[in-house]
Amino acid sequence: GAVVSQHPSRVICKSGTSVKIECRSLDFQATTMFWYRQFPKQSLMLMATSNEGSKATYEQGVEKDKFLINHASLTLSTLTVTSAHPEDSSFYICSARDWQALTEAFFGQGTRLTVV
Amino acid sequence: AQSVSQHNHHVILSEAASLELGCNYSYGGTVNLFWYVQYPGQHLQLLLKYFSGDPLVKGIKGFEAEFIKSKFSFNLRKPSVQWSDTAEYFCAVKGASGGYNKLIFGAGTRLAVHP
Repeated sequence: GAVVSQHPSRVICKSGTSVKIECRSLDFQATTMFWYRQFPKQSLMLMATSNEGSKATYEQGVEKDKFLINHASLTLSTLTVTSAHPEDSSFYICSARDWQALTEAFFGQGTRLTVV
Repeated sequence: AQSVSQHNHHVILSEAASLELGCNYSYGGTVNLFWYVQYPGQHLQLLLKYFSGDPLVKGIKGFEAEFIKSKFSFNLRKPSVQWSDTAEYFCAVKGASGGYNKLIFGAGTRLAVHP
C-alpha cells in the first residue's frame, strides 16, 4: 500500500512554544490530508481536512488559530500547534488520500506530543 | 450526522477462540466501510474495506467482515485468534457520494488474546 510518513514521531516542548508536525505522502499524490487527534484509550477524532492549495476545513470545536494547517503541495501537509499548553499533549495522526484511489486513506505513524 | 458505534470496548479471549467485533453506523447514503488495526506502539493499518459488491469481505491475517445493509452493520470476524492479534481495532465509515470524504472512526475495541 501507499506510504505516509509523519515526522517527528515524538516531541517534547515547553508551554508557550510552537511545534510543527509534518505529514508526507511518499509514493503518491495526496489532494486531501486529514489530521486526527487520539487521546489515551480513545478513538481518533478528526480535527481538520486539508486540501492542497486551499484553506483547511476544521471540525467543530477545533481552534483554527491554535492548530495551523498548511497543505502547500500534493505530498506535504503540516500541522503547527501554536502556543502549546499541557492539555495539547496528545497523539496526532495524519492520513492522506490518493486522488486516484479516491476512497482509501493511508495513515502516518503518528506524533506523540508532550507539552511540559 | 455520521457516526460509528463499536459495542465492545474491551475483549479478552484465549488463543484459538473465535472473534466477532460489532460495528454499527448511522449514515443515510452509500458508504465505504473499513476496519483498521493498531498494534501496540504502531500506527493504524488497514485490515479490510468494503466499497461495493460481495458484502462478505476478506482481509489480511485471516480477518473478514460482513456488511449487512439492513442492519447498518459491518462486524469483524476471525475464526481462531492468535496472541499476535492483541491490538486495538477501529471500525470507520466514509460517505461514498456527494463529496463527503471524512473518515469517521468508532471508539475502538481493545482485544487482548491470552496464550
